[in-house]
Amino acid sequence: QKEVEQDPGPLSVPEGAIVSLNCTYSNSAFQYFMWYRQYSRKGPELLMYTYSSGNKEDGRFTAQVDKSSKYISLFIRDSQPSDSATYLCFPNTDKLIFGTGTRLQVFP
Amino acid sequence: AAGVIQSPRHLIKEKRETATLKCYPIPRHDTVYWYQQGPGQDPQFLISFYEKMQSDKGSIPDRFSAQQFSDYHSELNMSSLELGDSALYFCASSLRRGRETQYFGPGTRLLVL
Repeated sequence: QKEVEQDPGPLSVPEGAIVSLNCTYSNSAFQYFMWYRQYSRKGPELLMYTYSSGNKEDGRFTAQVDKSSKYISLFIRDSQPSDSATYLCFPNTDKLIFGTGTRLQVFP
Repeated sequence: AAGVIQSPRHLIKEKRETATLKCYPIPRHDTVYWYQQGPGQDPQFLISFYEKMQSDKGSIPDRFSAQQFSDYHSELNMSSLELGDSALYFCASSLRRGRETQYFGPGTRLLVL
């Protein structure tokens, strides 16, 4: 049973576009959320995590949590072809229940 | 910064053989998780250990067993290998089980012929 629901994508955007990746959750007890990026045949890589209020920015990436609507977003500015990967969001639970994530393709 | 180390990175076995995968967590991390990702599939949680004790169990076949040692490294033992066991096996580690983020290793790619 997944703790969050994620837009499945795939999402295809041109280089330089702003990308918005979204998840929703139902359990208001979650304290923070994590975004991972997984390239094909590689281990998931932690991108960033954010607590259940406000925004967190790291370079071209901004993570945002809206507690009132239980909505999690990851924004990627000036997207690059190297951002092409599957993006996954998780709440802070013990084991991670993987869904399909959102596959992003940034074309030159 | 030190990352999660997995060995071997690639492994080829034949049906009915056994395999042992190793995972070395990030220093000071006390929790280890194992995941299996079949071709074109999402990673599936197998099992986790916290402070050397099994803490949770997922879809791990009875043919598989795992343990965490006193130095916190973990081993996944797979016996009577089947073709369907061919997959990428990820190990992740975290500090304070469930309350800190998980960091993944590069994975071990197992091919069963």
